[in-house]
Amino acid sequence: SYVLTQPPSVSVAPGQTARITCGENNIGGKSVQWYQQKPGQAPVLVIYYDKDRPSGIPERFSGSNSGNTATLTISRVGAGDEADYFCQVWDSNSYHYVFGSGTTVTVL
Amino acid sequence: QVHLVESGGGLVEAGESLRLSCAAPGFSFTDYYISWIRQAPGKGLEWISYISSSGSTIYYADAVKGRFTISRDNAKKSVSLQMNSLRADDTAVYYCARVGYSGFDYWGQGTGVTVSS
Repeated sequence: SYVLTQPPSVSVAPGQTARITCGENNIGGKSVQWYQQKPGQAPVLVIYYDKDRPSGIPERFSGSNSGNTATLTISRVGAGDEADYFCQVWDSNSYHYVFGSGTTVTVL
Repeated sequence: QVHLVESGGGLVEAGESLRLSCAAPGFSFTDYYISWIRQAPGKGLEWISYISSSGSTIYYADAVKGRFTISRDNAKKSVSLQMNSLRADDTAVYYCARVGYSGFDYWGQGTGVTVSS
């Protein structure tokens, strides 16, 4: 199995924009999901199908996916956005799900 | 309301077995695939298995294939994960999750498994 490539950490000042990348060869050809996980809690789906938000997820969360990189963007970051974020794809060759290595977002 | 609840975790010795359960009473259970995902202490998420709505399609990650068995009982709205020949590197929080949107749209709170060597 393999793991999608994410930066280990991203730091951002309050009110600014955080961008988290997820890399894989031709990931643009796959559907990417993003999860937020706060300490001691289960992950929560925040983006699916590259850019769609589940009900209840703020519009500040957005996603894009092209070429070899998918990106989760969090606008107007606040202390409540501090968490680990994981990307995920479905590998249609192996019928397996694959997660990214995870990125810790720190609000300065 | 969609709700998944895991149980069955605990402390076992290497080589022993454990059976996890996932109860999912709050949605149309027979319409959904269910998956197990684990997270070792301080590590990332690792998908380990899923089972189709009817139970006829099952896949495992290479790390657990041949040792773990997933099954479901649609009448009881539950999914089980039988874990045999446990190893220290199976130590993790195990989550069950509903498969949706090419990923996992609802997760349980997780159950901890510790394998001592």
